Amino acid sequence: ETGVTQTPRHLVMGMTNKKSLKCEQHLGHNAMYWYKQSAKKPLELMFVYNFKEQTENNSVPSRFSPECPNSSHLFLHLHTLQPEDSALYLCASSLSPDSTKNIQYFGAGTRLSVL
Amino acid sequence: EDQVTQSPEALRLQEGESSSLNCSYTVSGLRGLFWYRQDPGKGPEFLFTLYSAGEEKEKERLKATLTKKESFLHITAPKPEDSATYLCAVQASTTDSWGKLQFGAGTQVVVTP
Repeated sequence: ETGVTQTPRHLVMGMTNKKSLKCEQHLGHNAMYWYKQSAKKPLELMFVYNFKEQTENNSVPSRFSPECPNSSHLFLHLHTLQPEDSALYLCASSLSPDSTKNIQYFGAGTRLSVL
Repeated sequence: EDQVTQSPEALRLQEGESSSLNCSYTVSGLRGLFWYRQDPGKGPEFLFTLYSAGEEKEKERLKATLTKKESFLHITAPKPEDSATYLCAVQASTTDSWGKLQFGAGTQVVVTP
């Protein structure tokens, strides 16, 4: 079983839908991250949470709303998305952002298609 | 601004044909450089972390090296199962960069039998 689990693996939604992505980590980490990966582009950091507190919002549009109820769970709530938001959304976790060895471990991702 | 550039974009190798991938970076103080492997439809899988120039790490057929401006990922006698996209990322040492990895676009490697 992977240390970081994302559900669903695939999601198709219309521009007026509301959906949520879920991420759970079983590694005992304190930091969690959301990334967006589009074809042929580098991974883009979206949000960082450290001990449930959001420490980074990388100029992400408000149609993406993160939630971190505890250090093991992270959600990304989606509403009124645009077709250009179609991408692979990756969740990651690490021991702590200020750790000397901030190794981030990734889930398998949610492939999102916005119609 | 921190930047990471990977080359080549794509690499096609015959089984057993060794080669190297390059990751050039500019960062305001390097805290760590990371190599990941990503298979189609999966998330990146951690391979190595390098922290200072001159450092080397090895894992099976892979060897990562680091200088002050770039890192190389050497693939020795590759096998078809080494086919993947290899991602490089850096973390700067400034306080506001903690936790933030700046990724390159990756090198897609295909190893044919």
